[in-house]
Amino acid sequence: DIQMTQSPSTLSASVGDRVTITCRASQSISRWLAWYQQKPGKAPKLLIYMGSSLKTGVPSRFSGSGSGTEFSLTISSLQPDDFATYYCQEYDSYHMWTFGQGTKVEIK
Amino acid sequence: QLQLQESGPGLVKPSETLSLTCTVSGGSISISRFYWAWIRQSPGKGLEWIGSVYYAGSTYDNPSLKSRLTMSVDASRNQFSLKLNSVTAADTSVYFCARQESSGWPGYFDSWGQGILVTVSS
Repeated sequence: DIQMTQSPSTLSASVGDRVTITCRASQSISRWLAWYQQKPGKAPKLLIYMGSSLKTGVPSRFSGSGSGTEFSLTISSLQPDDFATYYCQEYDSYHMWTFGQGTKVEIK
Repeated sequence: QLQLQESGPGLVKPSETLSLTCTVSGGSISISRFYWAWIRQSPGKGLEWIGSVYYAGSTYDNPSLKSRLTMSVDASRNQFSLKLNSVTAADTSVYFCARQESSGWPGYFDSWGQGILVTVSS
């Protein structure tokens, strides 16, 4: 099975900061990676798929990059609405899909 | 706009069967481009994919749950369902249903239900 490891687990930042979250896969997954945002008590929301494709309606301050085993999610200028937990998910596997353990972005 | 809504008991006794239904509105469940999935999240923990089902009935199951898991689709009602038997306290989680995009093979989850908390306790 493919393992997904995110870092850091928690990130403290201020409004306006540039923030980067990393996701590493235990084996190459090409660009088959998605990023989600989850707020407390809510369902996750898809932000990015195919490593860097922004879902329609997601603010352009969110961007994704990477391929193979290393990926990143960047928020170019953190907004109050962005404080949340972020998850990566691989979909290279044909029949089993794995999430990272999550990165909580909190107010500094 | 597509909406998914989970329903079912919020409390299940140990050793019994957890049964949930997801009702899809704003779109048909019988579209070849999508699978329909269940994902859970233990309190304070991360996300665990449970399984995915196609409108025609084929399924993919998480190997760690496969022996206890049954999924089905009722296309006439635009619903899909999950049954997990022999539950223990470890199955206490928020259960989400979601649509899984599948242009080539099943991939990312682009729409989610709000989630339902299921507690396993006597």
